[in-house]
Amino acid sequence: AQSVSQHNHHVILSEAASLELGCNYSYGGTVNLFWYVQYPGQHLQLLLKYFSGDPLVKGIKGFEAEFIKSKFSFNLRKPSVQWSDTAEYFCSLTDSWGKLQFGAGTQVVVTP
Amino acid sequence: DVKVTQSSRYLVKRTGEKVFLECVQDMDHENMFWYRQDPGLGLRLIYFSYDVKMKEKGDIPEGYSVSREKKERFSLILESASTNQTSMYLCASTADRDGNQPQHFGDGTRLSIL
Repeated sequence: AQSVSQHNHHVILSEAASLELGCNYSYGGTVNLFWYVQYPGQHLQLLLKYFSGDPLVKGIKGFEAEFIKSKFSFNLRKPSVQWSDTAEYFCSLTDSWGKLQFGAGTQVVVTP
Repeated sequence: DVKVTQSSRYLVKRTGEKVFLECVQDMDHENMFWYRQDPGLGLRLIYFSYDVKMKEKGDIPEGYSVSREKKERFSLILESASTNQTSMYLCASTADRDGNQPQHFGDGTRLSIL
């Protein structure tokens, strides 16, 4: 069975700091990888996705993620965060049946 | 833009009640999903459906059932609500069965069972 592990449950950082959220997965087959974000009071929305090709994918709001197959990782990065990036971030994957598996989520708080 | 609408943002029910959570999507998506979201556990799949009148168990189906009578509507049913079913419930839909498209989520229903 597939699983997704996010390393940090809570991250607190100051504006302009760099952000990196770790995500590792276990699955033996082909996976599609996603990062979703949930801003306070809002619904989950897609940040970025990786299906194939260039392992460095760029998403909305300056986020990017790198797929490293050998490490089963899909870490999310942003060079300089803003207060508006305060949110909960979820790493997820779909298997070949389309079932979505989520990590436990990382709550990110950006202080002014 | 895809719209996934959940009928209630907040709901309070009593132990033993039968509870219905409704979800409607407006993009003619084949696939619909119900998750519950709990702190520290992320989202866990309860049930999903790839077609009308079709349903499949997810990872935590116990205590729940679903109904998909029409393509656009996917209902989650708590047959006899219990306090451990207090949670945030999220509905999602996607056009693609193979996982190549992202899922679109509703705003969620925060359900409290007293």
